[in-house]
Amino acid sequence: DQQVKQNSPSLSVQEGRISILNCDYTNSMFDYFLWYKKYPAEGPTFLISISSIKDKNEDGRFTVFLNKSAKHLSLHIVPSQPGDSAVYFCAASPNTGNQFYFGTGTSLTVIP
Amino acid sequence: KAGVTQTPRYLIKTRGQQVTLSCSPISGHRSVSWYQQTPGQGLQFLFEYFSETQRNKGNFPGRFSGRQFSNSRSEMNVSTLELGDSALYLCASSLGLSAGLEETQYFGPGTRLLVL
Repeated sequence: DQQVKQNSPSLSVQEGRISILNCDYTNSMFDYFLWYKKYPAEGPTFLISISSIKDKNEDGRFTVFLNKSAKHLSLHIVPSQPGDSAVYFCAASPNTGNQFYFGTGTSLTVIP
Repeated sequence: KAGVTQTPRYLIKTRGQQVTLSCSPISGHRSVSWYQQTPGQGLQFLFEYFSETQRNKGNFPGRFSGRQFSNSRSEMNVSTLELGDSALYLCASSLGLSAGLEETQYFGPGTRLLVL
């Protein structure tokens, strides 16, 4: 049972435009959410996180939004750059332990 | 600070064999988690070790096992390999503090296992 879902396997965006990656979850016990970026042949790299007490967290070009009532989070990348082309995973962790649940990933391609 | 390291990076085995993968966490991190990544399935959680004890476990058969040593290094073992075990195996480390505290996991580069 996939508790964290990324329904878009791929996304293409023009350089300079906004990239929006979406993630949905089903478990109301999740209270900490993370985004990871993964290049081929490398492990995922932590990008940005958000706690359930917030609805927005910004770090440079990256902003994560959390809508708890809809059990939905999104990652915005503005402006998108070709180097952002990678697979993006969202992950969630409950307040009951150090276990993380990952989505299936969205492959982002930024076209120069 | 050195990152998470995994050895070997690539491995080819045949069905029925067993394999042991190794993970060295970031210095000071006491929690090590293992994941299996296959196309279309994302990262599937295998198990988490903290202070040499398995603290969390995913839904994998008993052929998948692990252990953690006193220096927090961890090994994962897969016995009686099947073709479907071909995957990228990732380990991630974190401080492993008490539940309820927000932590970030840091991943190693993974071990690519091919079962023929």
